[in-house]
Amino acid sequence: DIVMTQSPDSLALSLGERATINCKSSQSVLHISNNKNYLAWYQQKPGQPPKLLIYWASTRESGVPDRFSGSGSGTDFTLTISSLQAEDVAVYYCQQYYNTPPTFGHGTKVEIK
Amino acid sequence: EVQMVESGGGLVQPGGSLRLSCAASGFTFSRYSMNWVRQAPGKGLEWVSYISTSGRITYYADSVKGRFTISRDNAKNSLYLQMNSLRAEDTAVYYCARDQHWELPHYLDGWGRGTLVTVSS
Repeated sequence: DIVMTQSPDSLALSLGERATINCKSSQSVLHISNNKNYLAWYQQKPGQPPKLLIYWASTRESGVPDRFSGSGSGTDFTLTISSLQAEDVAVYYCQQYYNTPPTFGHGTKVEIK
Repeated sequence: EVQMVESGGGLVQPGGSLRLSCAASGFTFSRYSMNWVRQAPGKGLEWVSYISTSGRITYYADSVKGRFTISRDNAKNSLYLQMNSLRAEDTAVYYCARDQHWELPHYLDGWGRGTLVTVSS
């Protein structure tokens, strides 16, 4: 199984600051045939189910604010929140779907300082 | 609006069985493959099972293989998870989630609110 490792485990930032969450896969999730990275990001607010933010590593889901962006390729990926808002307090998960079983990172908790 | 509502969770003794259901609405259910994903209390997300649009293709996590069975009824817009030989480590909130690929688990663009399964004596 592909192991997804996220860092940091948590971060606390002030409103308006930039948040950066990293995700590393134990093997490449870049499919050579279509040059796509099989990597998604989800946001889970307290007491709610996860919500898809980003897929194919950098494609924003419809309705997701443009302060959220995804980047990276191969084994190293980043979710960036350009200007942290109060409503962004949540746990963020990366997920690979290159192989079955799909696997998730352990999550990164984002809080307001 | 895409909506999925899970039901069937509850308290069950170790070794017991439970059947979860997921009622889907707001989209053409038969055109989407579906998954079950679980989350133990205070823990992260764990993929459990996948079923293709027709139901002919299924996948399971090793942790549940041979004990859980995923199925669907497209006429009823419903997804199911039959869980047998339950263990304490199966205790979790179980989410129904819509997939974007027709024959392999991909990214999940719609989630229900989940149903809690507690396995305890």
